[in-house]
Amino acid sequence: QVQLQESGPGLVKPSETLSLTCTVSGYSISSGYYWGWIRQPPGKGLEWIGSIYHSGSTYYNPSLKSRVTITVDTSKNQFSLKLSSVTAADTAVYYCARVEGGSSFDPWGQGTLVTVSS
Amino acid sequence: QSVLTQPPSASGTPGQRVTISCSGSSSNIGSNSVNWYQQLPGTAPKLLIYSNNQRPSGVPDRFSGSKSGTSASLAISGLQSEDEADYYCAVWDDSLNGPVFGGGTKLTVL
Repeated sequence: QVQLQESGPGLVKPSETLSLTCTVSGYSISSGYYWGWIRQPPGKGLEWIGSIYHSGSTYYNPSLKSRVTITVDTSKNQFSLKLSSVTAADTAVYYCARVEGGSSFDPWGQGTLVTVSS
Repeated sequence: QSVLTQPPSASGTPGQRVTISCSGSSSNIGSNSVNWYQQLPGTAPKLLIYSNNQRPSGVPDRFSGSKSGTSASLAISGLQSEDEADYYCAVWDDSLNGPVFGGGTKLTVL
């Protein structure tokens, strides 16, 4: 079955760039679907960050668009997130997921906690 | 402040039927399909209902979804202790040109 796994640093300094990678197994990204990033600050709700197609086509949450870049590497079956100029407000569990129909996320990775602190 | 409004909490006793509402607008629920997610404590969200009322394989038929106008509802019948979780609605928003989530509802099984 399709499985997703997030990886990347768990601690990022303020003003620096957060970088995460999602590795997909059990399905080839090149076969289709959009792939997305969602985050959840501690004790709070879910926020969509952005999504990417295997061709590289992207769409981002307007509230984060100026700081977000999502890329795909079909040769490694991975897609990645970069969030620049981070602050403490970007501290969250970051999830990756396969996207269908725009807002149907399934399955999800287990999530990775990223803390922004000096 | 979420675009979709959910009650912050809901509760019920074992065996009871509970519903969770999700209120939106014409640019989201009014024109697109609603999905529901279940997040058990300490775990990633899981797709519970898609396309308003469809259950993925493996989701018990105790869970059902519906939509009317600019609102949607998740119903859980025969409530069980393992249903205690946070529940989120999500839908595409034509104004945002992206998906939006409700603020989430914490379900407590008394």
